[in-house]
Amino acid sequence: SAVISQKPSRDICQRGTSLTIQCQVDSQVTMMFWYRQQPGQSLTLIATANQGSEATYESGFVIDKFPISRPNLTFSTLTVSNMSPEDSSIYLCSVEWSSPLEAAQHFGDGTRLSIL
Amino acid sequence: GQQVMQIPQYQHVQEGEDFTTYCNSSTTLSNIQWYKQRPGGHPVFLIQLVKSGEVKKQKRLTFQFGEAKKNSSLHITATQTTDVGTYFCAGSTSGTYKYIFGTGTRLKVLA
Repeated sequence: SAVISQKPSRDICQRGTSLTIQCQVDSQVTMMFWYRQQPGQSLTLIATANQGSEATYESGFVIDKFPISRPNLTFSTLTVSNMSPEDSSIYLCSVEWSSPLEAAQHFGDGTRLSIL
Repeated sequence: GQQVMQIPQYQHVQEGEDFTTYCNSSTTLSNIQWYKQRPGGHPVFLIQLVKSGEVKKQKRLTFQFGEAKKNSSLHITATQTTDVGTYFCAGSTSGTYKYIFGTGTRLKVLA
C-alpha cells in the first residue's frame, strides 16, 4: 500500500487569505483525489488531480477557488483561495492503489482547516 | 446526479450485539467499496465488491452486493468496542474512475 503524507495537519486562517495543502506519496500513483469532509458528514469529491494536465473538478467546485497542481506522480497540492468561514472543513487527499485483486483508495491524515 | 444513501444514520448497540448498515445507490454500480473511519481519523479501506450478488467475509464482517448492483450491506457479528466508527460505502459507475461516498453510518458500541 501507499504511504501518504499530508500537511499541514491543521491550520487556523483569516478570511480572505489562501492556504495550500500538500500531499506527498511514497510511490508513483496515477490517480490522486481531493475531498472535503465537514464535521460529522460524508466525503465530497472536489477534484481529480491529473499529472501533466488540469485537474477535473466536480460540480460545485471551480478552479479559481480550489486550484490544484500535480507536477509529478508522487505529489499534489490543493489551494483553498479567498477563504470564508464556509470553507472550514477537513480536506483529504487520497490515491488509488491497485493490486491484481482490487483497487482501493488510501487517504492522508487530512488537513483540519478553520477560518475566522 | 448519482446519490448513495446509507441507513441508519446512527446506531448504538450493546457490545456483543449484531449491526448492519445498508447502502443504496440511485444508479447501477460497477463496483462498491466499504471504508471505516474512526473518530478523528481518516477513512480506511475495508473491501471491494464487484460481482452481482457477491458476498465476502472478513472475520466478523460480512459484505454483500445486491443482485441489481444498486445496493450493498455490511453486517458485523458480535460487535466489539473496537468496531466504533463511521462506516461508508463508496460506489463507482462504469466508465468512471471516481467513487461517490455514501452518507455513512455512525456506530457506537456500549460496553
